Amino acid sequence: DTGVSQNPRHKITKRGQNVTFRCDPISEHNRLYWYRQTLGQGPEFLTYFQNEAQLEKSRLLSDRFSAERPKGSFSTLEIQRTEQGDSAMYLCASSWDRGFGNEKLFFGSGTQLSVL
Amino acid sequence: DQQVKQNSPSLSVQEGRISILNCDYTNSMFDYFLWYKKYPAEGPTFLISISSIKDKNEDGRFTVFLNKSAKHLSLHIVPSQPGDSAVYFCAASAWRGGSQGNLIFGKGTKLSVKP
Repeated sequence: DTGVSQNPRHKITKRGQNVTFRCDPISEHNRLYWYRQTLGQGPEFLTYFQNEAQLEKSRLLSDRFSAERPKGSFSTLEIQRTEQGDSAMYLCASSWDRGFGNEKLFFGSGTQLSVL
Repeated sequence: DQQVKQNSPSLSVQEGRISILNCDYTNSMFDYFLWYKKYPAEGPTFLISISSIKDKNEDGRFTVFLNKSAKHLSLHIVPSQPGDSAVYFCAASAWRGGSQGNLIFGKGTKLSVKP
């Protein structure tokens, strides 16, 4: 399977704990995105990487959130001191940016985070 | 403010009939539009897209229409099948700074196709 892979699929944590999610993009894709989706809403952009460089961060991404993409391959999203409002589906997507737009994002199955 | 709006939270259609899902946008800089389908507990799956230089794009049973003057696009599914039952998201992006910007999504429309 060469799709976008996310681990874990589900994560239950207590408020105040740190959590880390992993995303493995489609291998030839140079862009990697993180989105968050809550019930009844569409996916909301958090941040994206072009290769290993983090090029944009949404204002939704508080300083408790940090994302990395070492060596431009897999990515991790860490949330420190989790709050109940962080409960959501965290989606990773990748794409191939050829420099002339019209890129399609391919999403993973997401990590469902529940903060108790 | 919502830049991409899907005003119908749900739509119910009989199998074999046409499903029409609508989407409005407010940002005139958007130049690329996509539709994604999402089943429960899965990530969104790309369905069809359209560039702002076109007004129609067709792929099998799926056709997307773009009306730039009205800032409106629609997805037509003909004929509808029970397997089409899912949440459909409209998304848009704008070319800026020499690259395509991130996708902005609507809230989705839940389509139910009844046998």
